[in-house]
Amino acid sequence: EAGVVQSPRYKIIEKKQPVAFWCNPISGHNTLYWYLQNLGQGPELLIRYENEEAVDDSQLPKDRFSAERLKGVDSTLKIQPAELGDSAVYLCASSLQGGTQYFGPGTRLLVL
Amino acid sequence: KQEVTQIPAALSVPEGENLVLNCSFTDSAIYNLQWFRQDPGKGLTSLLLIQSSQREQTSGRLNASLDKSSGRSTLYIAASQPGDSATYLCAVSYDKVIFGPGTSLSVIP
Repeated sequence: EAGVVQSPRYKIIEKKQPVAFWCNPISGHNTLYWYLQNLGQGPELLIRYENEEAVDDSQLPKDRFSAERLKGVDSTLKIQPAELGDSAVYLCASSLQGGTQYFGPGTRLLVL
Repeated sequence: KQEVTQIPAALSVPEGENLVLNCSFTDSAIYNLQWFRQDPGKGLTSLLLIQSSQREQTSGRLNASLDKSSGRSTLYIAASQPGDSATYLCAVSYDKVIFGPGTSLSVIP
């Protein structure tokens, strides 16, 4: 069974540029999570989807971050414009009905 | 405020020792608690999930316990091996998911 797929694995951009991350969850998983992880810290939840609906986006900086999960499968997380402080690892995870979460390898973002 | 803490932040043990990692949470109204390991530069690997109604879960050399009344979970690793070296994180699910900061474990051969 394929795991959670994320792309790209690495991204280097200049500040004020836009960037987008893509996530394909495990087949059949209705819950999808986007996390941000800074070095030496635990992941911080940005947004959680149940199917197509964003049920928790309280930690998403909505002035520059946006996310979508069309058709309740793949998801895209976008930052526009990126700031230096956005440099981090962006993790996607999926689960079935809020059970065990399975994580992708993450996208490492560096904003210069 | 819902918070999750893990102590110690780092731990170093000789190979073969049994060890316990701790996770504390402030709000006992949890849905479940999950333990993960994370290797450097990698994503998180799920180890054990304990539902709110359960007291413990076991997988191989790992045993996780949950005490909601005291707001604590422990991860017990038996007969530690160098391959167990990683950062171990706990995640508590409420209406949102909150991770602890992790414990960095080094098992010395």
